[in-house]
Amino acid sequence: KQEVTQIPAALSVPEGENLVLNCSFTDSAIYNLQWFRQDPGKGLTSLLLIQSSQREQTSGRLNASLDKSSGRSTLYIAASQPGDSATYLCAPFFYGQNFVFGPGTRLSVLP
Amino acid sequence: EAGVAQSPRYKIIEKRQSVAFWCNPISGHATLYWYQQILGQGPKLLIQFQNNGVVDDSQLPKDRFSAERLKGVDSTLKIQPAKLEDSAVYLCASSSTGIKYYEQYFGPGTRLTVT
Repeated sequence: KQEVTQIPAALSVPEGENLVLNCSFTDSAIYNLQWFRQDPGKGLTSLLLIQSSQREQTSGRLNASLDKSSGRSTLYIAASQPGDSATYLCAPFFYGQNFVFGPGTRLSVLP
Repeated sequence: EAGVAQSPRYKIIEKRQSVAFWCNPISGHATLYWYQQILGQGPKLLIQFQNNGVVDDSQLPKDRFSAERLKGVDSTLKIQPAKLEDSAVYLCASSSTGIKYYEQYFGPGTRLTVT
């Protein structure tokens, strides 16, 4: 059974800091990996999708990297803002299986 | 383009009652997913449809949960009878085939409280 972990579970930083969220998965046979953001009481918003053949993807202040061989992905947020406060979830898509979500990292950016 | 629509947004029922949730995916999306998200956890896949056929329902508690996707568009998820542990947010997502294959788009979810 594939497992996905995310470290840290929660993070509180002052505005303007650069930060890194980590996602680890037990099986390197993935098709792609998707990062999401979830605001309290809301659904999930897709941030970035990395195909297994890619090393990284960028969108604005967000950069996601993928190292399949070590079963890791990181989400880098540059110059954090209070509006970035949310829970961030990663979800690898495993071959022959489906998406499996991590438990999320709860981010709080203080003004 | 319009996003994934879900209704109702909130539902409170007593245990042993039945409940149904509705989802309308993004137009043209062939794949539809239902997830259960318990507070503080990531979403757990319940069932995946490809058009109107079931692709994966390995984690669906089939003794009480059922789902259908008629005509390959809208879908309903039903719980009968509900238990206290079914209290969660039920999320619907859809994805297309093509260049963005497997990228999921989520609806706002239905928050279910079972008392």
